[in-house]
Formats: sequence, structure tokens, C-alpha cells
Amino acid sequence: GQQLNQSPQSMFIQEGEDVSMNCTSSSIFNTWLWYKQEPGEGPVLLIALYKAGELTSNGRLTAQFGITRKDSFLNISASIPSDVGIYFCAGPRGGADGLTFGKGTHLIIQP
Amino acid sequence: SAVISQKPSRDICQRGTSLTIQCQVDSQVTMMFWYRQQPGQSLTLIATANQGSEATYESGFVIDKFPISRPNLTFSTLTVSNMSPEDSSIYLCSVVTGGHTEAFFGQGTRLTVV
Repeated sequence: GQQLNQSPQSMFIQEGEDVSMNCTSSSIFNTWLWYKQEPGEGPVLLIALYKAGELTSNGRLTAQFGITRKDSFLNISASIPSDVGIYFCAGPRGGADGLTFGKGTHLIIQP
Repeated sequence: SAVISQKPSRDICQRGTSLTIQCQVDSQVTMMFWYRQQPGQSLTLIATANQGSEATYESGFVIDKFPISRPNLTFSTLTVSNMSPEDSSIYLCSVVTGGHTEAFFGQGTRLTVV
């Protein structure tokens, strides 16, 4: 099945820093989704991308759909404490229902 | 989006027993799914809950262990049967609305089996 390779696995940053994480696949995706999960909660959809080369923003978050359709990037500018959580990339499973998820990037912000 | 309510939010269960998790959506949805998230891991699809028919299970998941019901377009249940400590996970209900790809999630049920 399709696999998503997400990196980095974890990030320790200072408040105010910018953050960048990415997701790659050996298969082509037609949609890329980025979710954030906080402790005790389900994943919350941040950004959805539908076209190769698409660049979409949601506040301080910006995500891009790679031209090759095999990767996507999520950037967070000027991080704040409430950005702490696990960020997952996800995409539709080819020929089947449901989503496949990356392993997540655990973001930790040091005061 | 849709508002998804999952019950219970957490439970501690004895091995060998079963737990049924409920998922209620505030509007009719096209598709409902159940995912498992093992401690410190990503999400893995258990099955697609089909309205009025048997669920479609993914490789590694079987109906006897994870029976699923979906009597209508707004409600589904997942039962974790004959539990063992290895079943300790977060179980998440997810829905897709209309013809979209984006999935929305409930807050999850954190299950601990002792």
C-alpha cells in the first residue's frame, strides 16, 4: 500500500521560530491533507491541497502540494505555545476508501 | 465540516471483556470510518462502516474482533471484543461529507486494557 514518509519525527524549537516539515511518498497523490492532533483529541484538519504546485495558507500555516505530486510541505511561521502538538500528513489511499497517514511530526516549543 | 461525538471518551477495561464505542454525527454523512492509534503511533484504518451492510475491513482487522454497526447515516458503533492489553489504543471515528476527500474526526476513545 501507499506509504507516507514524514520528517522530522520531532522538533524542539524556541517560541517565535519558523517551522518546516515535509511528507514524501513513492506514489502519486491527488490530494494532500495536513492535520494537527493535541493530547486527548482527535486530529483536526488544517489545510487541504488538491492541485500540484498549489500553495495554501491558513493563518500562520502555509502548505504546498509538490510539483511531482509525491511530496508536500507544511510551514508554520512565528511559532507560539499553542502550536504544540503532533502534525500529520495524510492522503487518500489509491483505489480504496479512507486515508493513509504519515507517522507525524511532534512539535515541542521551548519557552 | 461535521460535529462528531464519541462515547466513551476513555475507559479502563479488564482483559477478556468487550467495549462498544459509539459515534454520533450531527448531520448525514457519506462515509464513516474507524481508525486505531496505538500509543505514540500514527493512525491506521480499521474499517469502513457501511450503512445497512457489513463493514469493509482492512488487512489485519477482522469482524469477529471488531464488529461494526452503522444503522443509519449519522451513527456507528465499534466493538472491541475479547480485549487484551495489546488492544490498548485510541479508537477514532471519522467521517467524510459529500464528495470530498477531507475526513473529520471525533475526539477519540482512549482504551486501556488491564
